[in-house]
Amino acid sequence: GESVGLHLPTLSVQEGDNSIINCAYSNSASDYFIWYKQESGKGPQFIIDIRSNMDKRQGQRVTVLLNKTVKHLSLQIAATQPGDSAVYFCAALANQAGTALIFGKGTTLSVSS
Amino acid sequence: DTAVSQTPKYLVTQMGNDKSIKCEQNLGHDTMYWYKQDSKKFLKIMFSYNNKELIINETVPNRFSPKSPDKAHLNLHINSLELGDSAVYFCASSPSEGAGNQPQHFGDGTRLSIL
Repeated sequence: GESVGLHLPTLSVQEGDNSIINCAYSNSASDYFIWYKQESGKGPQFIIDIRSNMDKRQGQRVTVLLNKTVKHLSLQIAATQPGDSAVYFCAALANQAGTALIFGKGTTLSVSS
Repeated sequence: DTAVSQTPKYLVTQMGNDKSIKCEQNLGHDTMYWYKQDSKKFLKIMFSYNNKELIINETVPNRFSPKSPDKAHLNLHINSLELGDSAVYFCASSPSEGAGNQPQHFGDGTRLSIL
């Protein structure tokens, strides 16, 4: 079955730095990927998604890169702010009926000012 | 105007009791989900319903029974609660079954603590 893993459980950066959170997935049939942010006491909040027909997608201060060859995706946060401190999850889905979104274990991002 | 709302936010109860968690979404989505998040923050799908029909039922003890009275509601009933059921339970919804390349929207969770 699918497994999704994050490379680092924690990441500490200084305010204003760029942050990169990496994720690997195992199922080559996965064709849709999502990054979520979870703050303490809250549910996962959608940040950005990408489909397998794309290599890169940009949002406001965030960029997701997808490398299907090595089954790897990353989330880049530009000019990281204290409000970005949270747990970040990547999730992958194979677009087949009855399949579930598989979440990675989460990377805790700590931003110090 | 909360999109996905769960009640209660906190639930503390004794082992062996039966409890329910309610979830409602006002997004007009067809599909709803229940996830369990353990103490290490690992999120795992439990169930998914599409238009009131069960689509996904992962390896979950049959003490857990989801009920969808209509497509805007998906409640979770748990019988004979055990210590290992302590976790945060999240409800989510998305426009179509299997996410259909649409992100799932999550509620803020119900923290269940078994004494």
